[in-house]
Amino acid sequence: RKEVEQDPGPFNVPEGATVAFNCTYSNSASQSFFWYRQDCRKEPKLLMSVYSSGNEDGRFTAQLNRASQYISLLIRDSKLSDSATYLCAVKGYGQNFVFGPGTRLSVLP
Amino acid sequence: DAGVTQSPTHLIKTRGQHVTLRCSPISGHKSVSWYQQVLGQGPQFIFQYYEKEERGRGNFPDRFSARQFPNYSSELNVNALLLGDSALYLCASSLGAGGDTQYFGPGTRLTVL
Repeated sequence: RKEVEQDPGPFNVPEGATVAFNCTYSNSASQSFFWYRQDCRKEPKLLMSVYSSGNEDGRFTAQLNRASQYISLLIRDSKLSDSATYLCAVKGYGQNFVFGPGTRLSVLP
Repeated sequence: DAGVTQSPTHLIKTRGQHVTLRCSPISGHKSVSWYQQVLGQGPQFIFQYYEKEERGRGNFPDRFSARQFPNYSSELNVNALLLGDSALYLCASSLGAGGDTQYFGPGTRLTVL
């Protein structure tokens, strides 16, 4: 089993739709969690950190479920500009960041 | 404020050659990490440096080496290039060596022919 796995995608959704991505991790000692977005042939850009109590940033909501070892990202009212690959990243204490393979999202007009 | 910078942007090499990639972190950040990203995959961790010391190493062969300078900039060196080394090489900057958020540079796209 890979350390970090994500929904395989791609997700093709119409503008205005709500879409959710999941990311599972195998290391129960993981402590820090992040979502990044990556546009084609560009570097990953931090979207949001994921906190234990869950957090929201505008149309984006991130959740952490430690018991089931997964994090999720919810995007409401999808925009064309949300089209990108979404990467989750996980880090344990004294360990390195581990990224998932990414989930590609295409928002269609 | 300047973000993470990397050079060169693109590079074409042939098998067996050597390459040096450079990275300057965000001002005030003391940690630099290097990642390799091949098409269709997430970034794979290569090295982390903090205060000029190696703090972590991923599952890469000894052909890969790195160092960090007193000004916190860093170099990634790859010897005896293989076709499979073709990838986007990303540098990430963070304040410390712990679970701090990492910010990526634009990357160096290496093509090995």
